[in-house]
Amino acid sequence: DVKVTQSSRYLVKRTGEKVFLECVQDMDHENMFWYRQDPGLGLRLIYFSYDVKMKEKGDIPEGYSVSREKKERFSLILESASTNQTSMYLCASSPFRAGNLYEQYFGPGTRLTVT
Amino acid sequence: GDSVTQMEGPVTLSEEAFLTINCTYTATGYPSLFWYVQYPGEGLQLLLKATKADDKGSNKGFEATYRKETTSFHLEKGSVQVSDSAVYFCALGGSNYKLTFGKGTLLTVNP
Repeated sequence: DVKVTQSSRYLVKRTGEKVFLECVQDMDHENMFWYRQDPGLGLRLIYFSYDVKMKEKGDIPEGYSVSREKKERFSLILESASTNQTSMYLCASSPFRAGNLYEQYFGPGTRLTVT
Repeated sequence: GDSVTQMEGPVTLSEEAFLTINCTYTATGYPSLFWYVQYPGEGLQLLLKATKADDKGSNKGFEATYRKETTSFHLEKGSVQVSDSAVYFCALGGSNYKLTFGKGTLLTVNP
């Protein structure tokens, strides 16, 4: 089974702190994604990566950055956390194979609270 | 751009009732369509998919048919169980391997 793990299930940080959210997948997938999930808004794509050291902005990249130094690991960075970044963060991965491009496998999520 | 609209919840049903969750989409080209499910405290899981018009996706008793003429992909199940209680997301696969999600529909099934 594909496994996508996220470093923390719950995280509490203070305004202005630099925050790192880590995601690791064990299935050698090329594509990795970071979403945030908010009530009434569904899932919104923050950043994605289709290869090591490659990244592309999603729909809401402001206030975030990402790092992908190894194929299995994709990190989301909040440079200076703010209260409006309190949310559930979901990581996903998918293989680069025709017919499976959109079958994303999700981690359990990190619920981040910024106070 | 691409967008997905699904019926707002919450939806509350009794066990063995019939379920329909409506989903319509706007997209250019010929997108793939998906239903994902999120059980309490977990990430999303792919429930079913359809990649071209008139395809029917099915899994665990759930079904959805890709209707190009009505740009719809409604989720149905003939007899729901308590264990089906979850949030259901309709999604569209567009360009650059990205998924566009609907806002989600919370389903609660009571015994």
